[in-house]
Amino acid sequence: DAKTTQPTSMDCAEGRAANLPCNHSTISGNEYVYWYRQIHSQGPQYIIHGLKNNETNEMASLIITEDRKSSTLILPHATLRDTAVYYCIVRDTYSGNTPLVFGKGTRLSVIA
Amino acid sequence: DTEVTQTPKHLVMGMTNKKSLKCEQHMGHRAMYWYKQKAKKPPELMFVYSYEKLSINESVPSRFSPECPNSSLLNLHLHALQPEDSALYLCASTSGAGDSPLHFGNGTRLTVT
Repeated sequence: DAKTTQPTSMDCAEGRAANLPCNHSTISGNEYVYWYRQIHSQGPQYIIHGLKNNETNEMASLIITEDRKSSTLILPHATLRDTAVYYCIVRDTYSGNTPLVFGKGTRLSVIA
Repeated sequence: DTEVTQTPKHLVMGMTNKKSLKCEQHMGHRAMYWYKQKAKKPPELMFVYSYEKLSINESVPSRFSPECPNSSLLNLHLHALQPEDSALYLCASTSGAGDSPLHFGNGTRLTVT
């Protein structure tokens, strides 16, 4: 079973920041938080991941709370092409080949 | 574009056919995965290969038979499928080092008639 809870859907105005929350209250010390998104009819696309520090890359920022029980993915300037299902996944990396277990994700709609 | 290539993109097969799905990556990754995704549902894990050996089989019916001939290639052989097996079949790979993320292909859309 997925170890995360996400809102079912969210809307965001084009050009504004999209803030997608995720709860993972049972996360353990060696589990990372990964974010993926899936645009219709494509495979899941890796966005970002982190353990406890905030992370930023060219796509997004990841903010993890100090107790690590929740996180927020931030898309700084959402565009229509960011409309997708966003998955927050907690993954144990003790074994490097541990698979991803997907929950239901958040359907983000970016509106013009 | 994705660095994990899946072929064919679309496949229609009858219940008595035998077909194969192919997945290829040239990133030197040592772990490869098959996932199945039904419409409007999240992907579900089927198989994991690590260093060309099957390490996880999520109780998948025997009509799905995975094969990893070498570290770059992963096949899924299909035989006597049912219409309810129609889905998007996704392949993924990772280096297997620490927290390296999985990279997915764009899948094969399978329709069983």
